[in-house]
Amino acid sequence: SQQGEEDPQALSIQEGENATMNCSYKTSINNLQWYRQNSGRGLVHLILIRSNEREKHSGRLRVTLDTSKKSSSLLITASRAADTASYFCATPRMDSSYKLIFGSGTRLLVRP
Amino acid sequence: GAGVSQSPRYKVAKRGQDVALRCDPISGHVSLFWYQQALGQGPEFLTYFQNEAQLDKSGLPSDRFFAERPEGSVSTLKIQRTQQEDSAVYLCASSLAGPQEDTQYFGPGTRLTVL
Repeated sequence: SQQGEEDPQALSIQEGENATMNCSYKTSINNLQWYRQNSGRGLVHLILIRSNEREKHSGRLRVTLDTSKKSSSLLITASRAADTASYFCATPRMDSSYKLIFGSGTRLLVRP
Repeated sequence: GAGVSQSPRYKVAKRGQDVALRCDPISGHVSLFWYQQALGQGPEFLTYFQNEAQLDKSGLPSDRFFAERPEGSVSTLKIQRTQQEDSAVYLCASSLAGPQEDTQYFGPGTRLTVL
């Protein structure tokens, strides 16, 4: 079963533009994580935001978390062609925190 | 240092064959995880090891799936009598410490195709 659902399912933008992806989840969480997956490669951990945080930055990435709405957003600024990938949000289960529950992902295409 | 490695990267099996997928976690990582990722979906948890102990196998889809990590490092996921619905990418991940460690490091995956 999938906990998080990303929106949109697919996004196509021009290089240099910003990309925003959203994630909604169903149950209470301790933290929420974003991962990137390039075609044919494994998942790369991008950023983790804890439930008591509202915003976090890492380079060109900005993540927000709204626990009242059970949603998070990932913003990639000044996108590059190399950002083309699928992006997943994941939350650990409260009762067994090693179990990451992933959403179905947003497929981002950055056109050069 | 080296990341998580998996082999083979691609495996084609005829229905009914047994397959074995290997995962080499990051050296010194205590925890090891297997996930299954269907096409166009996010990964789904299969099983979890802490050192050599398999602490959770609740995600294994059937008794045809078996995982082991006998010496607490390399792990093997075995699928017996493969079926077409087993076709997926199988991802392995490791983390440094126990269950409270937040970051899991993923390997490139093994893409299994069952004909």
